[in-house]
Amino acid sequence: ETGVTQTPRHLVMGMTNKKSLKCEQHLGHNAMYWYKQSAKKPLELMFVYSLEERVENNSVPSRFSPECPNSSHLFLHLHTLQPEDSALYLCASSQDLGTEAFFGQGTRLTVV
Amino acid sequence: GDSVTQMEGPVTLSEEAFLTINCTYTATGYPSLFWYVQYPGEGLQLLLKATKADDKGSNKGFEATYRKETTSFHLEKGSVQVSDSAVYFCALNRGGTSYGKLTFGQGTILTVHP
Repeated sequence: ETGVTQTPRHLVMGMTNKKSLKCEQHLGHNAMYWYKQSAKKPLELMFVYSLEERVENNSVPSRFSPECPNSSHLFLHLHTLQPEDSALYLCASSQDLGTEAFFGQGTRLTVV
Repeated sequence: GDSVTQMEGPVTLSEEAFLTINCTYTATGYPSLFWYVQYPGEGLQLLLKATKADDKGSNKGFEATYRKETTSFHLEKGSVQVSDSAVYFCALNRGGTSYGKLTFGQGTILTVHP
């Protein structure tokens, strides 16, 4: 139990589908993150939220849309994805910006 | 910009062998340094950290020392076990106005055989 829970663990979706990834943290942290882990590439930071406000968007395509309704929940809404978007999507949280991050187990996404 | 470079893998060792995974970094200021471990099918777990020069992080028999003069944070373990088989990531965080962004190395796959 890491304190950061992601659902679903696995997701297969077509390029015309709309789906959402969910992340919930039970650690009382103020910052949450989405990372993308593709094969043979370093982890890429996608979005950062602090106190429910987006503070960074790393040039992520608009087909990825984050939402942070409160400090415990973070969503990643997906639509019209491409096969190259297939990856492990990791959510993380930290007490504040600049402290170590705690990761969820990830959602393995396959776009067909 | 910030960057982290890890030694190329995969690394294959026999049980009880000595492990070193090299990590060097490029960053302005005084970053915090981390090692994360990812077991098969799992997310990343923080293994150890060091927040200032000459600090030694340690956990589960693993150690790494923050060397500012060589901009390095090499991971070592004296006697590895089969259960240590995983992917190891070196990372840095400049904190402050960098919004707590972790910059990761590419990861090193470690396989330990009985």
